[in-house]
Amino acid sequence: DQQVKQNSPSLSVQEGRISILNCDYTNSMFDYFLWYKKYPAEGPTFLISISSIKDKNEDGRFTVFLNKSAKHLSLHIVPSQPGDSAVYFCAAKADYKLSFGAGTTVTVRA
Amino acid sequence: EAGVTQFPSHSVIEKGQTVTLRCDPISGHDNLYWYRRVMGKEIKFLLHFVKESKQDESGMPNNRFLAERTGGTYSTLKVQPAELEDSGVYFCASSLLGYNEQFFGPGTRLTVL
Repeated sequence: DQQVKQNSPSLSVQEGRISILNCDYTNSMFDYFLWYKKYPAEGPTFLISISSIKDKNEDGRFTVFLNKSAKHLSLHIVPSQPGDSAVYFCAAKADYKLSFGAGTTVTVRA
Repeated sequence: EAGVTQFPSHSVIEKGQTVTLRCDPISGHDNLYWYRRVMGKEIKFLLHFVKESKQDESGMPNNRFLAERTGGTYSTLKVQPAELEDSGVYFCASSLLGYNEQFFGPGTRLTVL
């Protein structure tokens, strides 16, 4: 059973605008959440993370929001840039291991 | 600082053959993980080492898969004998003890014909 879900397989956004990626989870034991970015033929690159005791973490253009009661997190990228075009994975940690969503492909249009 | 490295980057073998994948974690990272992505689906956990000890191998598909981490440095993942459904991309990741962020290697793409 998939415990982490990214329901939007793709997202297209204009350069300079905000990209919002969503992720839902079912396991209440997850204590840490991470976002990874992946280019073709490369491994996932760590982007930003948030502890389950917080509701927001910001790093430059990237902000992650966590709504524990709704078991939902989101990643905001603003402003979006052409280099942001990639696959973004949401991951949740319990007992060291990460559970991943299926990924959202982001395309930033010029 | 060198990242996680994996060898080979690609491997094409026939069903029934043996393949060994290697992972070199970031220096000083005691945690080492193996993950797999099959057919473009989600990335799934296989197992976790702390130094040379297996902490969790609950994700290993079956006994055709054997992972080792000699001396707590690099790790190998052997598939013997390989089956068609073993095809996919095998990722290795590492992290410092007590830290949540895992850093991934570029992966090994395994194709079993």
